[in-house]
Amino acid sequence: KNQVEQSPQSLIILEGKNCTLQCNYTVSPFSNLRWYKQDTGRGPVSLTIMTFSENTKSNGRYTATLDADTKQSSLHITASQLSDSASYICVVSGEYTNAGKSTFGDGTTLTVKP
Amino acid sequence: DAMVIQNPRYQVTQFGKPVTLSCSQTLNHNVMYWYQQKSSQAPKLLFHYYDKDFNNEADTPDNFQSRRPNTSFCFLDIRSPGLGDAAMYLCATSRGWGRGAMNTEAFFGQGTRLTVV
Repeated sequence: KNQVEQSPQSLIILEGKNCTLQCNYTVSPFSNLRWYKQDTGRGPVSLTIMTFSENTKSNGRYTATLDADTKQSSLHITASQLSDSASYICVVSGEYTNAGKSTFGDGTTLTVKP
Repeated sequence: DAMVIQNPRYQVTQFGKPVTLSCSQTLNHNVMYWYQQKSSQAPKLLFHYYDKDFNNEADTPDNFQSRRPNTSFCFLDIRSPGLGDAAMYLCATSRGWGRGAMNTEAFFGQGTRLTVV
């Protein structure tokens, strides 16, 4: 069964600090991995998408890494801001899997405090 | 500009009273999805349309129905809402599947928060 596991479940950091969120998956064959940011009460917004051949991808202060051999990804947030407080969801698509039928992680809830 | 628009943002309905949530898209995507998301949980796919073809997930209750009258619009009908149906409902779109659309995005709307009283 395809699974996506995220850790930690929740995280509290101080404004200005860096943090790293983890995503492990068992989806096979692999097609792509996406990170979404979901603000409370809103829909998910895409941060990055990585395919098998990509090891890293950045979007401003967000940098995602992918190790397709170990089936692990991380999302690194640099110089956190209060607006980074949100849930971060890792989504993995198998080959030929429709983007919306992918496997979702339960998310990591990040709280940035002043 | 918003590409996937859900209305309303907040919906309060009475127990057992049918309710309809709407979603529209300006992306001209083939596929539209409806998800249910409860607090601190991942979105759960209810069903999707590939063009006019409806695809129900095996564990979606019969209480949930959907209509897609054209490419741009898709509706979620809850025939008899129960207290357990209170959740955020998310609509998303993507290009059709197959090699040409393998690594495409799913674009989400802002969601409709449904409260059942």
